[in-house]
Amino acid sequence: DTAVSQTPKYLVTQMGNDKSIKCEQNLGHDTMYWYKQDSKKFLKIMFSYNNKELIINETVPNRFSPKSPDKAHLNLHINSLELGDSAVYFCASSLGLAEGGEQFFGPGTRLTVL
Amino acid sequence: SQQGEEDPQALSIQEGENATMNCSYKTSINNLQWYRQNSGRGLVHLILIRSNEREKHSGRLRVTLDTSKKSSSLLITASRAADTASYFCATGSSYKLIFGSGTRLLVRP
Repeated sequence: DTAVSQTPKYLVTQMGNDKSIKCEQNLGHDTMYWYKQDSKKFLKIMFSYNNKELIINETVPNRFSPKSPDKAHLNLHINSLELGDSAVYFCASSLGLAEGGEQFFGPGTRLTVL
Repeated sequence: SQQGEEDPQALSIQEGENATMNCSYKTSINNLQWYRQNSGRGLVHLILIRSNEREKHSGRLRVTLDTSKKSSSLLITASRAADTASYFCATGSSYKLIFGSGTRLLVRP
């Protein structure tokens, strides 16, 4: 059974378009995250949500809008896509310990903006 | 900016040899974690060491933590071709992980 799933796995789109990536976890975790991994493999936190509430927004442009309809889902909507948005986006979840515990990652969504 | 730097950036060894990767970080931490990423896949948690621990073992993995030097090392003993992957350290605090730059490990059969 998949613990953290993301759809789609690949996304190719034109500059200026709006797209969404969906994430679901079946682990019963309270906290979910979005990370961005660039072409040099640097992995950076974008958002943290705990019990559907935004906890962390790491100075992400407001073109990126996460939405958590319930504790098991955290979707990422991106408006007006730019070339620099091309990256692999990972969703993750954890028990939500404030100390920053083990996280479980989804398989990633490779976004290519042309 | 990245919290940690890892070295080496890349490491190539023969199957059966040991692999050592190092991680340095900048701020105080609650814990330090190591993750593995196979090509084209998500990250998989390997081991977590708390700030009040100095060493931890899990199977063929041994992690050390020196908070005075703000550094950690991951040792993989008796490496296998299946250990080929990128390895990342991450510092855990306040609902987020901050990742290092990663070490690409190639284990030659």
